[in-house]
Amino acid sequence: ETGVTQSPTHLIKTRGQQVTLRCSSQSGHNTVSWYQQALGQGPQFIFQYYREEENGRGNFPPRFSGLQFPNYSSELNVNALELDDSALYLCASSLGVGGDTQYFGPGTRLTVL
Amino acid sequence: QKEVEQDPGPLSVPEGAIVSLNCTYSNSAFQYFMWYRQYSRKGPELLMYTYSSGNKEDGRFTAQVDKSSKYISLFIRDSQPSDSATYLCAMIGDSNYKLTFGKGTLLTVNP
Repeated sequence: ETGVTQSPTHLIKTRGQQVTLRCSSQSGHNTVSWYQQALGQGPQFIFQYYREEENGRGNFPPRFSGLQFPNYSSELNVNALELDDSALYLCASSLGVGGDTQYFGPGTRLTVL
Repeated sequence: QKEVEQDPGPLSVPEGAIVSLNCTYSNSAFQYFMWYRQYSRKGPELLMYTYSSGNKEDGRFTAQVDKSSKYISLFIRDSQPSDSATYLCAMIGDSNYKLTFGKGTLLTVNP
């Protein structure tokens, strides 16, 4: 069974640029959630996709957007990058929504200069 | 008041000690309670998963949930240096979609 994978591992961008992060969910999982984890903080929920539809969104501006594909992999796009967007971005997949266990990938570390 | 409060530590203990980690929460809709372990610069790894109140044991780890007090705990027996990591509590409601995390407690177990 393949776990959750994310790419790239690290990347560095400058303020104002755009970035796309990718996530492959665990086999059989149809739900993907994205979280932002700033240094020294717990992960903060960005949004969740269930069967290719956005199922919920946290307190993040519209420049954070996402997609889920028919194979349940997902993308997180961030436009007009700001310095505060520097963080570890985590993807988690689950069998469904609600209390189903969310399994996390290794994360993508984004640095905005 | 934050929905989930967790003492960030750091917590330093000798090898073999019993470790107690705790979180409090304010949202009575939370029904599922989790503990994740996160090594430096890695993704969180699920340790324990509990539904509603009660205890759950898995090897050296015991999770306790007291919904009446809105208080959850993780106990680690016979702690090992390999247990050194950040421990995150997380919780979610029945009809919810997002995990709400504590800030994490940094634990160091000294040989």
